[in-house]
Amino acid sequence: QVQLVQSGAEVRKPGASVKVSCKASGYTFSTSSMHWVRQAPGQGLEWVGWINAGNGDTKYSQKFQGRVTITRDTSASTAYMELSSLTSEDTAIYYCMKDGDVWGQGTTVTVTS
Amino acid sequence: EIVMTQSPATLSVSPGESTTLSCRASQSVGSNLVWYQQKPGQAPRLLIYGASTRATGIPARFSGSGSGTEFTLTISSLQSEDFAVYYCQQYNNWPRTFGQGTKVEIK
Repeated sequence: QVQLVQSGAEVRKPGASVKVSCKASGYTFSTSSMHWVRQAPGQGLEWVGWINAGNGDTKYSQKFQGRVTITRDTSASTAYMELSSLTSEDTAIYYCMKDGDVWGQGTTVTVTS
Repeated sequence: EIVMTQSPATLSVSPGESTTLSCRASQSVGSNLVWYQQKPGQAPRLLIYGASTRATGIPARFSGSGSGTEFTLTISSLQSEDFAVYYCQQYNNWPRTFGQGTKVEIK
């Protein structure tokens, strides 16, 4: 079955960067796309960005433009989201989501001094 | 960007009753709208795509309708497992945008 398994929880200091991975299985990775969505504590869902896993094209929310980079490794069927210049406002659960239909389990990123 | 507005923020419903959730887009998104359900401590789950098509394994008591700027999600005969937060999201334009969610709670 289609499954997305994300990397484990991360703790960073303000100003640092974090890179979250999302390993896909159960389908042909390069024929799909991957979104990244985040959810701050007690808040709603916020779209971060997207990658076409086949050709590597990306789209980002303007809110994160310049701070976020989404990449993929087709040989490893894995997508990555890197967020830099972290502040406490970036404390959230980060989810990968395949084509809008299957979600990873989420990765908690905590930014604290 | 397209702003998605859900109403109401909270719905108090008794088990067995039916309820309707609303989602409005600030401009037309055609039928390019999905509904997700999220329970506490879990990732969201796809319920409806294309505004009205149930995802695989979703019970028939969930139905979606609408197009353009006005959409609804109807849950008939609410079961205990249906009490959750529901989000709409448009996928017609970049950036993709979510509504702020409607919490369906037990009355």
